[in-house]
Amino acid sequence: KNQVEQSPQSLIILEGKNCTLQCNYTVSPFSNLRWYKQDTGRGPVSLTIMTFSENTKSNGRYTATLDADTKQSSLHITASQLSDSASYICVVSASTGGFKTIFGAGTRLFVKA
Amino acid sequence: GAGVSQSPSNKVTEKGKDVELRCDPISGHTALYWYRQSLGQGLEFLIYFQGNSAPDKSGLPSDRFSAERTGGSVSTLTIQRTQQEDSAVYLCASSSNRGGYTDTQYFGPGTRLTVL
Repeated sequence: KNQVEQSPQSLIILEGKNCTLQCNYTVSPFSNLRWYKQDTGRGPVSLTIMTFSENTKSNGRYTATLDADTKQSSLHITASQLSDSASYICVVSASTGGFKTIFGAGTRLFVKA
Repeated sequence: GAGVSQSPSNKVTEKGKDVELRCDPISGHTALYWYRQSLGQGLEFLIYFQGNSAPDKSGLPSDRFSAERTGGSVSTLTIQRTQQEDSAVYLCASSSNRGGYTDTQYFGPGTRLTVL
């Protein structure tokens, strides 16, 4: 069964600290993995997208890693800011004949001053 | 430039009524997607359009749900005989090229549907 699991479910950190969010998936055959940021009451915004051959991708203070062998991805946030408080969603797409995208439930990040 | 827009932003309806939700994708984007996000839940894929055709309708939860796209642009998601479990935020996204795989999807702000 195609699944995407994220951990932790929620996380509280102090402003300026780093954090790492995890995503494990069983989606097959793998096509790509994306991380989205979703502010409360807003639509998701794309942070990174990685295909099978990519191990890491950065977008400012956000760095995503991908291990296609172990089917794991992480999103590392450096020097967190209050505005990083949001849900972070891991999304994995399968390269089937049709379109198959599985969304994780997200990690809710709270950054406190 | 203009992003994906959705209307209405909020919709409150009575159980059993029909509702129509509208999505205006980014101009020139050929792929359009509808998702549903229930309170505290992850995003749930509903349907995908490439141009005016829908190659993947697998996510529509029941035959009360339908969607169409005309002129390769605006899409309408229709829910007939709404039920309370239909209450959710309905999100629309669009992407530019082939759609579905490596293209970034740009999301609209969503329509919050409340069925009383």
